[in-house]
Amino acid sequence: NAGVTQTPKFRVLKTGQSMTLLCAQDMNHEYMYWYRQDPGMGLRLIHYSVGEGTTAKGEVPDGYNVSRLKKQNFLLGLESAAPSQTSVYFCASSYRDRGYEQYFGPGTRLTVT
Amino acid sequence: AQKVTQAQTEISVVEKEDVTLDCVYETRDTTYYLFWYKQPPSGELVFLIRRNSFDEQNEISGRYSWNFQKSTSSFNFTITASQVVDSAVYFCALSERGMYSGGGADGLTFGKGTHLIIQP
Repeated sequence: NAGVTQTPKFRVLKTGQSMTLLCAQDMNHEYMYWYRQDPGMGLRLIHYSVGEGTTAKGEVPDGYNVSRLKKQNFLLGLESAAPSQTSVYFCASSYRDRGYEQYFGPGTRLTVT
Repeated sequence: AQKVTQAQTEISVVEKEDVTLDCVYETRDTTYYLFWYKQPPSGELVFLIRRNSFDEQNEISGRYSWNFQKSTSSFNFTITASQVVDSAVYFCALSERGMYSGGGADGLTFGKGTHLIIQP
């Protein structure tokens, strides 16, 4: 049981490049989330999904897109990376109606130069 | 909208001292959950405690204790006899019932964190 995994762990991008972060969970969770963590800012919610095929915006969605084509995967895309998107990205998941019990992944450190 | 305030950006104490981390929250929901997470230098998030809005009993777990007071919208965290291994960033977080039945689907709102430094 791997729990919540994130791929990749580290990445360096140039401004304007695109990339996709993958979050996978093997706990059959309905809800999945993407957060970003910046120094002195805590974690902030980017997008979330309450089920396969559905997504919703969080607090800081601009510059990101997401997709939930399979229940176990939640993808976070950066179409044209900007230095302001340099951050640590955390994925989390939870059972339906238990969104308060979130299981976090180990994080992805992204640097945009 | 919900909000979590951790006014202490950084606290530094000497080992074996007691230390309290403050957390004040704002919410219009009557059903909500409060959390504390620890983030050690390795970067992962470690869940410490969850408390729902209907349970105001204080909790103790070893050297850790939590004081939940709805009257002041506070959920403070105390470490007794601190140790160097307690050095980390600590986050307080809030989850409201939200728009989906069952609660919590809208994600967690985190405070900005308190960097706790325990000096030997």
